[in-house]
Amino acid sequence: GQNIDQPTEMTATEGAIVQINCTYQTSGFNGLFWYQQHAGEAPTFLSYNVLDGLEEKGRFSSFLSRSKGYSYLLLKELQMKDSASYLCAAMDSNYQLIWGAGTKLIIKP
Amino acid sequence: IAGITQAPTSQILAAGRRMTLRCTQDMRHNAMYWYRQDLGLGLRLIHYSNTAGTTGKGEVPDGYSVSRANTDDFPLTLASAVPSQTSVYFCASSDSNGGQGTDTQYFGPGTRLTVL
Repeated sequence: GQNIDQPTEMTATEGAIVQINCTYQTSGFNGLFWYQQHAGEAPTFLSYNVLDGLEEKGRFSSFLSRSKGYSYLLLKELQMKDSASYLCAAMDSNYQLIWGAGTKLIIKP
Repeated sequence: IAGITQAPTSQILAAGRRMTLRCTQDMRHNAMYWYRQDLGLGLRLIHYSNTAGTTGKGEVPDGYSVSRANTDDFPLTLASAVPSQTSVYFCASSDSNGGQGTDTQYFGPGTRLTVL
């Protein structure tokens, strides 16, 4: 079957670095997405990876290893506004997104 | 309008009633989607439409129907609501072109539905 695994909750300190991991199993693979979702709001797009390697976008970076079915989202210089849920989603062979349950990130001062 | 809008923002509904959730996008995206989001679960696809005039079933289609008469609108109908349909419903759209490009999905603000 198709499955996405990511930790339920993580805690980090303001100004620090945090890495949120995601493993996936899908029927075919057409890319890995990360979204941010603040409480009570809609998911917003953060990053997309389809080739192995690291994609950097400001304070956020995303990594993909297709052979390992693994991705991570790296957040640097954490700010209080980064407190949110981070959703990992893999696109399968039908170009449909399979979603993880999300990782709730709590930032402490 | 800029992006995707959904209506209503929230609704309390008696079981057995019919309800239509509205979704409109102004980005001329060909593909549209309806998801439900429940605590502890990932977003689950209810129905989708790759282009105007076509629709398809997602992971959890039972009890829901959709139509796509034009590019901009993609309403979701609950014919006879049940308490298990209490959820937050998100509409999304993407400029999907058969896998070329990123197919990034953009989400509306959501509808919080409670069925009693």
